[in-house]
Amino acid sequence: DQQVKQNSPSLSVQEGRISILNCDYTNSMFDYFLWYKKYPAEGPTFLISISSIKDKNEDGRFTVFLNKSAKHLSLHIVPSQPGDSAVYFCAASERGGADGLTFGKGTHLIIQP
Amino acid sequence: NAGVTQTPKFRVLKTGQSMTLLCAQDMNHEYMYWYRQDPGMGLRLIHYSVGEGTTAKGEVPDGYNVSRLKKQNFLLGLESAAPSQTSVYFCASSYEREGPQGYEQYFGPGTRLTVT
Repeated sequence: DQQVKQNSPSLSVQEGRISILNCDYTNSMFDYFLWYKKYPAEGPTFLISISSIKDKNEDGRFTVFLNKSAKHLSLHIVPSQPGDSAVYFCAASERGGADGLTFGKGTHLIIQP
Repeated sequence: NAGVTQTPKFRVLKTGQSMTLLCAQDMNHEYMYWYRQDPGMGLRLIHYSVGEGTTAKGEVPDGYNVSRLKKQNFLLGLESAAPSQTSVYFCASSYEREGPQGYEQYFGPGTRLTVT
């Protein structure tokens, strides 16, 4: 049973517009959520995270929103740039993540010029 | 500062052969993890370690063993490789941060393993 779901395998967005990537989870014990970006043949790189005590976290062009009642989080990228084209993974953890992360299947973001 | 490194980058094994994947980190992190990623899937946790000399099972531990004899190294062993273990293996490390923050994990570049 998938505890972290990314229902859009791919997303195409025009350069300069907003990219919105979505993630749903089922485990109410998750208390820490992260987004990772991955290029082909490389390891995932950390992008941004949010604790369950917050509902929003911003870092430059990236903002993560958390809706605990809906068990939903989203990543907003504004403005989208060509270098943002990659696979984005949503991940979640209990107890802050010391015991490891549970990943979604990823969303392939394609930024069109 | 190399971060997290993995050896080897690629390997082809025959069914029944054994091998060890090495992960090393130079960030003095307490926590280390092994994940596998299969096509169209997210990363799944195999084993992890919360400190030198300790290991624990993750979501998909069967067919693998691990050891953490030194803080900076985390080894993943396949005693008798099977085609189902064909995958890309990622190692990660993390540390505990102060305040209401979690454990951000830093990943290595991956090892692509094919078992024929």
